[in-house]
Amino acid sequence: TQLLEQSPQFLSIQEGENLTVYCNSSSVFSSLQWYRQEPGEGPVLLVTVVTGGEVKKLKRLTFQFGDARKDSSLHITAAQPGDTGLYLCAGGGPYSGSARQLTFGSGTQLTVLP
Amino acid sequence: GAVVSQHPSWVICKSGTSVKIECRSLDFQATTMFWYRQFPKQSLMLMATSNEGSKATYEQGVEKDKFLINHASLTLSTLTVTSAHPEDSSFYICSAVTSGGAYNEQFFGPGTRLTVL
Repeated sequence: TQLLEQSPQFLSIQEGENLTVYCNSSSVFSSLQWYRQEPGEGPVLLVTVVTGGEVKKLKRLTFQFGDARKDSSLHITAAQPGDTGLYLCAGGGPYSGSARQLTFGSGTQLTVLP
Repeated sequence: GAVVSQHPSWVICKSGTSVKIECRSLDFQATTMFWYRQFPKQSLMLMATSNEGSKATYEQGVEKDKFLINHASLTLSTLTVTSAHPEDSSFYICSAVTSGGAYNEQFFGPGTRLTVL
Protein backbone atom coordinates (compact mmCIF):
# COMPACT_ATOMS: atom_id res chain seq x y z
CA THR A 1 0.00 0.00 0.00
CA GLN A 2 1.37 3.39 -1.00
CA LEU A 3 1.11 6.01 1.75
CA LEU A 4 1.59 9.74 1.50
CA GLU A 5 2.25 11.69 4.65
CA GLN A 6 1.49 15.38 4.60
CA SER A 7 2.72 17.94 7.09
CA PRO A 8 1.74 20.04 8.79
CA GLN A 9 -1.85 18.92 9.22
CA PHE A 10 -3.02 22.39 10.25
CA LEU A 11 -1.40 25.74 9.61
CA SER A 12 -2.64 29.19 10.60
CA ILE A 13 -0.58 32.18 9.53
CA GLN A 14 -0.86 35.92 9.03
CA GLU A 15 -1.27 37.47 5.62
CA GLY A 16 2.10 38.14 4.01
CA GLU A 17 3.94 35.23 5.62
CA ASN A 18 5.58 32.39 3.71
CA LEU A 19 4.85 28.72 4.27
CA THR A 20 5.84 25.28 3.05
CA VAL A 21 3.77 22.11 2.99
CA TYR A 22 5.47 18.74 2.69
CA CYS A 23 4.34 15.50 1.17
CA ASN A 24 6.48 12.42 1.86
CA SER A 25 6.39 8.75 1.00
CA SER A 26 8.57 5.69 0.95
CA SER A 27 7.11 4.80 -2.44
CA VAL A 28 8.07 6.10 -5.84
CA PHE A 29 5.37 7.84 -7.82
CA SER A 30 5.23 8.40 -11.54
CA SER A 31 3.46 11.71 -10.99
CA LEU A 32 2.47 13.96 -8.14
CA GLN A 33 -0.50 16.28 -8.16
CA TRP A 34 -1.41 19.10 -5.81
CA TYR A 35 -5.03 20.06 -5.28
CA ARG A 36 -6.72 22.83 -3.32
CA GLN A 37 -10.18 22.37 -1.89
CA GLU A 38 -12.45 25.03 -0.43
CA PRO A 39 -15.28 24.21 2.00
CA GLY A 40 -18.27 22.58 0.33
CA GLU A 41 -16.51 22.20 -3.01
CA GLY A 42 -14.50 19.57 -4.84
CA PRO A 43 -10.70 19.67 -5.08
CA VAL A 44 -9.23 21.73 -7.89
CA LEU A 45 -6.04 20.60 -9.60
CA LEU A 46 -3.21 23.10 -9.15
CA VAL A 47 -0.27 21.34 -10.74
CA THR A 48 1.18 18.02 -11.87
CA VAL A 49 4.89 17.23 -11.56
CA VAL A 50 6.35 14.17 -13.21
CA THR A 51 10.13 14.50 -13.36
CA GLY A 52 12.45 14.01 -10.38
CA GLY A 53 13.75 17.41 -9.26
CA GLU A 54 11.13 19.26 -11.27
CA VAL A 55 10.09 22.71 -10.06
CA LYS A 56 6.94 24.42 -11.21
CA LYS A 57 5.70 27.88 -10.32
CA LEU A 58 2.13 29.11 -10.30
CA LYS A 59 2.19 32.79 -9.35
CA ARG A 60 3.12 32.78 -5.64
CA LEU A 61 3.06 28.97 -5.40
CA THR A 62 6.18 26.89 -6.03
CA PHE A 63 5.94 23.13 -6.34
CA GLN A 64 8.89 20.77 -6.25
CA PHE A 65 9.14 17.05 -6.92
CA GLY A 66 11.92 15.25 -5.09
CA ASP A 67 14.82 13.82 -7.06
CA ALA A 68 13.76 10.27 -6.20
CA ARG A 69 10.06 11.04 -6.91
CA LYS A 70 9.10 10.04 -3.36
CA ASP A 71 8.36 13.45 -1.95
CA SER A 72 7.12 16.88 -2.89
CA SER A 73 6.74 20.32 -1.42
CA LEU A 74 4.49 23.31 -1.91
CA HIS A 75 5.83 26.73 -0.98
CA ILE A 76 3.59 29.78 -0.84
CA THR A 77 5.14 33.22 -0.80
CA ALA A 78 3.36 36.16 0.79
CA ALA A 79 0.23 34.21 1.62
CA GLN A 80 -3.13 35.88 1.16
CA PRO A 81 -6.54 35.10 2.71
CA GLY A 82 -7.62 33.75 -0.67
CA ASP A 83 -5.04 30.96 -0.26
CA THR A 84 -7.08 29.54 2.62
CA GLY A 85 -8.19 25.97 1.97
CA LEU A 86 -7.37 22.29 2.25
CA TYR A 87 -4.27 21.38 0.25
CA LEU A 88 -3.99 17.80 -0.89
CA CYS A 89 -1.08 16.05 -2.53
CA ALA A 90 -1.79 12.94 -4.55
CA GLY A 91 0.59 10.44 -6.05
CA GLY A 92 -0.01 8.52 -9.22
CA GLY A 93 1.33 5.02 -9.79
CA PRO A 94 2.71 3.67 -13.02
CA TYR A 95 0.69 5.10 -15.88
CA SER A 96 -0.99 1.97 -17.16
CA GLY A 97 -4.28 3.43 -18.24
CA SER A 98 -6.27 0.84 -16.33
CA ALA A 99 -6.34 1.73 -12.64
CA ARG A 100 -5.49 5.44 -12.85
CA GLN A 101 -5.91 5.66 -9.10
CA LEU A 102 -4.31 8.32 -6.96
CA THR A 103 -2.96 7.95 -3.45
CA PHE A 104 -4.00 11.02 -1.48
CA GLY A 105 -2.09 12.62 1.35
CA SER A 106 -3.79 13.38 4.65
CA GLY A 107 -4.23 17.04 3.73
CA THR A 108 -3.06 20.37 5.12
CA GLN A 109 -5.70 22.82 6.30
CA LEU A 110 -4.30 26.30 5.70
CA THR A 111 -5.86 29.41 7.21
CA VAL A 112 -4.45 32.80 6.25
CA LEU A 113 -5.60 35.54 8.57
CA PRO A 114 -6.00 39.10 7.27
CA GLY B 1 -12.15 22.08 -20.24
CA ALA B 2 -12.38 18.99 -18.02
CA VAL B 3 -15.51 20.03 -16.15
CA VAL B 4 -17.29 17.56 -13.91
CA SER B 5 -20.73 18.19 -12.46
CA GLN B 6 -22.60 16.48 -9.64
CA HIS B 7 -26.27 16.45 -8.85
CA PRO B 8 -27.72 17.12 -6.40
CA SER B 9 -25.33 19.41 -4.56
CA TRP B 10 -27.03 18.57 -1.30
CA VAL B 11 -29.78 16.21 -0.18
CA ILE B 12 -31.57 15.51 3.06
CA CYS B 13 -33.42 12.23 3.41
CA LYS B 14 -35.06 10.05 6.01
CA SER B 15 -33.39 6.96 7.37
CA GLY B 16 -34.20 3.90 5.26
CA THR B 17 -34.63 5.69 1.96
CA SER B 18 -32.35 5.49 -1.07
CA VAL B 19 -30.54 8.40 -2.62
CA LYS B 20 -29.03 8.63 -6.10
CA ILE B 21 -26.13 10.95 -6.90
CA GLU B 22 -25.15 11.70 -10.49
CA CYS B 23 -21.67 12.52 -11.75
CA ARG B 24 -21.26 13.87 -15.27
CA SER B 25 -18.24 14.80 -17.33
CA LEU B 26 -19.48 17.79 -19.32
CA ASP B 27 -16.86 18.36 -21.98
CA PHE B 28 -14.90 15.12 -22.20
CA GLN B 29 -15.37 11.38 -22.20
CA ALA B 30 -14.44 9.62 -18.98
CA THR B 31 -13.63 5.95 -19.22
CA THR B 32 -12.96 5.90 -15.49
CA MET B 33 -14.69 7.71 -12.67
CA PHE B 34 -13.98 7.53 -8.97
CA TRP B 35 -16.23 7.97 -5.97
CA TYR B 36 -14.87 9.38 -2.73
CA ARG B 37 -16.22 10.07 0.69
CA GLN B 38 -14.90 12.92 2.81
CA PHE B 39 -15.38 13.85 6.45
CA PRO B 40 -14.91 17.43 7.69
CA LYS B 41 -11.32 18.70 7.41
CA GLN B 42 -10.10 15.28 6.34
CA SER B 43 -8.67 13.91 3.15
CA LEU B 44 -10.53 11.91 0.54
CA MET B 45 -11.39 8.25 1.08
CA LEU B 46 -11.69 6.28 -2.12
CA MET B 47 -14.86 4.20 -2.16
CA ALA B 48 -14.85 2.69 -5.62
CA THR B 49 -13.54 2.88 -9.14
CA SER B 50 -16.12 2.96 -11.88
CA ASN B 51 -15.30 1.91 -15.42
CA GLU B 52 -17.71 2.47 -18.27
CA GLY B 53 -19.56 -0.69 -19.20
CA SER B 54 -18.19 -2.85 -16.42
CA LYS B 55 -18.77 -3.52 -12.75
CA ALA B 56 -17.31 -1.10 -10.27
CA THR B 57 -14.33 -2.05 -8.15
CA TYR B 58 -14.91 -1.35 -4.48
CA GLU B 59 -12.29 -0.58 -1.88
CA GLN B 60 -11.96 -2.83 1.14
CA GLY B 61 -14.62 -2.12 3.72
CA VAL B 62 -17.06 -0.50 1.31
CA GLU B 63 -20.33 -2.45 0.99
CA LYS B 64 -21.12 -2.87 -2.69
CA ASP B 65 -24.76 -3.71 -1.97
CA LYS B 66 -25.17 -0.50 -0.04
CA PHE B 67 -23.33 1.81 -2.42
CA LEU B 68 -24.51 0.88 -5.90
CA ILE B 69 -22.47 2.32 -8.73
CA ASN B 70 -23.49 2.39 -12.37
CA HIS B 71 -21.32 3.78 -15.17
CA ALA B 72 -23.64 3.40 -18.12
CA SER B 73 -21.99 5.87 -20.49
CA LEU B 74 -18.72 7.67 -21.02
CA THR B 75 -20.14 10.81 -19.42
CA LEU B 76 -22.29 9.55 -16.56
CA SER B 77 -21.74 7.56 -13.40
CA THR B 78 -24.26 7.25 -10.58
CA LEU B 79 -23.88 6.35 -6.92
CA THR B 80 -26.98 5.10 -5.11
CA VAL B 81 -26.89 4.95 -1.34
CA THR B 82 -29.45 2.29 -0.49
CA SER B 83 -31.34 2.19 2.80
CA ALA B 84 -29.45 5.21 4.04
CA HIS B 85 -28.75 5.63 7.74
CA PRO B 86 -27.39 8.61 9.72
CA GLU B 87 -23.88 7.16 9.64
CA ASP B 88 -23.96 7.50 5.84
CA SER B 89 -24.17 11.25 6.20
CA SER B 90 -21.10 12.68 4.53
CA PHE B 91 -19.69 14.66 1.61
CA TYR B 92 -19.53 12.49 -1.50
CA ILE B 93 -17.27 13.56 -4.36
CA CYS B 94 -16.75 12.04 -7.77
CA SER B 95 -13.85 12.50 -10.12
CA ALA B 96 -13.12 11.56 -13.69
CA VAL B 97 -10.09 10.93 -15.82
CA THR B 98 -10.04 11.71 -19.50
CA SER B 99 -9.63 8.82 -21.86
CA GLY B 100 -6.66 10.53 -23.44
CA GLY B 101 -5.24 12.07 -20.30
CA ALA B 102 -1.88 11.43 -18.79
CA TYR B 103 -0.33 11.23 -15.36
CA ASN B 104 -3.45 10.04 -13.51
CA GLU B 105 -4.86 13.56 -13.35
CA GLN B 106 -8.36 13.53 -11.92
CA PHE B 107 -10.97 16.23 -12.31
CA PHE B 108 -13.40 16.53 -9.46
CA GLY B 109 -17.05 17.35 -9.22
CA PRO B 110 -18.27 19.92 -6.69
CA GLY B 111 -19.46 17.25 -4.28
CA THR B 112 -22.81 16.23 -2.78
CA ARG B 113 -23.62 16.80 0.87
CA LEU B 114 -25.81 13.95 2.12
CA THR B 115 -27.64 14.29 5.43
CA VAL B 116 -29.64 11.33 6.66
CA LEU B 117 -32.10 12.09 9.44
